[in-house]
Amino acid sequence: AQSVTQLDSHVSVSEGTPVLLRCNYSSSYSPSLFWYVQHPNKGLQLLLKYTSAATLVKGINGFEAEFKKSETSFHLTKPSAHMSDAAEYFCVVSDAPGSSNTGKLIFGQGTTLQVKP
Amino acid sequence: DAGVIQSPRHEVTEMGQEVTLRCKPISGHNSLFWYRQTMMRGLELLIYFNNNVPIDDSGMPEDRFSAKMPNASFSTLKIQPSEPRDSAVYFCASSTGTGGSPLHFGNGTRLTVT
Repeated sequence: AQSVTQLDSHVSVSEGTPVLLRCNYSSSYSPSLFWYVQHPNKGLQLLLKYTSAATLVKGINGFEAEFKKSETSFHLTKPSAHMSDAAEYFCVVSDAPGSSNTGKLIFGQGTTLQVKP
Repeated sequence: DAGVIQSPRHEVTEMGQEVTLRCKPISGHNSLFWYRQTMMRGLELLIYFNNNVPIDDSGMPEDRFSAKMPNASFSTLKIQPSEPRDSAVYFCASSTGTGGSPLHFGNGTRLTVT
């Protein structure tokens, strides 16, 4: 069975400093992995996705994530945090191989990112 | 592309009343998902459809909850009768349906049952 674990429920950084949100996954096949962001009172928005192409994935708003199979990790990073990055972030794994048409996603519990001025 | 459209944005109702939440997926997407989000339980998948057919409804909490997708452009989630513990934000999402395809979420319906 597929699963994701977000290692931190809350991360606090100062504006202008790097961001690291950690995610480990478990999958019985080559997974599809995603990061979503949720701002207050909004729906979830896709930040980036990994689907077995390049292991370093670049997303929107300067975020990127690196797929490391040996460590079963897919950590999200950003070189310099901005106040507008304060939000909830979800690491997600697909429960089906890429060729399947079920497309059910498994969500982590979320990490709240606080950005201090 | 208008995105996934949910209505209403907010719903306040009294315990025992029927509640109907509505969703219009992105045109061309053939998978539709209903999620519930609360502080205590986080994001929970309630049910999802593929080509208008319910595939997995194991997340539907009770028989009070029902969902339909009469056509490719419309879905409803109904709670009858509603209870205070149903208070949550309900999200609808759609995708193209392949295993590696991302979900596109609506802005959610915030339900308050008093």
